[in-house]
Amino acid sequence: NAGVTQTPKFQVLKTGQSMTLQCAQDMNHNSMYWYRQDPGMGLRLIYYSASEGTTDKGEVPNGYNVSRLNKREFSLRLESAAPSQTSVYFCASSGMGSLAGARGEQFFGPGTRLTVL
Amino acid sequence: QKEVEQDPGPLSVPEGAIVSLNCTYSNSAFQYFMWYRQYSRKGPELLMYTYSSGNKEDGRFTAQVDKSSKYISLFIRDSQPSDSATYLCAMSSTGGGNKLTFGTGTQLKVEL
Repeated sequence: NAGVTQTPKFQVLKTGQSMTLQCAQDMNHNSMYWYRQDPGMGLRLIYYSASEGTTDKGEVPNGYNVSRLNKREFSLRLESAAPSQTSVYFCASSGMGSLAGARGEQFFGPGTRLTVL
Repeated sequence: QKEVEQDPGPLSVPEGAIVSLNCTYSNSAFQYFMWYRQYSRKGPELLMYTYSSGNKEDGRFTAQVDKSSKYISLFIRDSQPSDSATYLCAMSSTGGGNKLTFGTGTQLKVEL
C-alpha cells in the first residue's frame, strides 16, 4: 500500500515553461486535493475533486489547471510557469467508508519541490 | 483576517518540557478539529482529531477544543527530540471528505 504518490519530487522550470505534476492514490478515496505550501502562508488549496468527474477551485487557482483522470489519479498543470509559483506542492486524498473518511482526514503525498527561475 | 490563526514560532524547548501549541479561528461553523505533524521535507500526517468541544488524550498528546472561545490547543508532555517538527492545526465545518482550513503551522524544536 503506497498511499499517495507524487511525481516528480523536484523540478526546476524557466519562466513560461509548462509542466504537469502527477498524483495517484491507492486507497480507493473519492476526494483528492492539490495544495501549495509557502513559508508563512501554510497550506493553501489550489483545486480539489470531490469525486471522479468533478473538479472545483480552491483558494488560489489562478495559473493552474487540473484533471481528474480516473478515481486514482489527479494531475495539476502549470501552463506558463511564473516565479510566484515557486513552492512545495502537496497532493492529498480522503474518502468515506472508514472512520478516517467520516471525520474528513486527508492523507498527504511527499510533495513536489518546484522552482521557477 | 485569516479564518485560522496560528503562531508560526519557532518554538524551542528543552527535552522533557510540556509544550502548548494553539490556534484561534473565526468561523463558528467549524466542528471537526485536527492537528497534523509535518517533519522537514515530508508531507503532513494526522496526529490528533477532535469533534466539537472537549479534550482527547493519546499517549503524550492531548488536544483541547473550546468552541465558546474559538480556541484549540495541543499539549505535548515529556517532549522528545523526535517531536521536533511543524505542527499544523486544521478544521472543517463538515466531515466526510470535505475541505479543510489549515493554520500556517508552528515550528517546534525540542533540544537535548
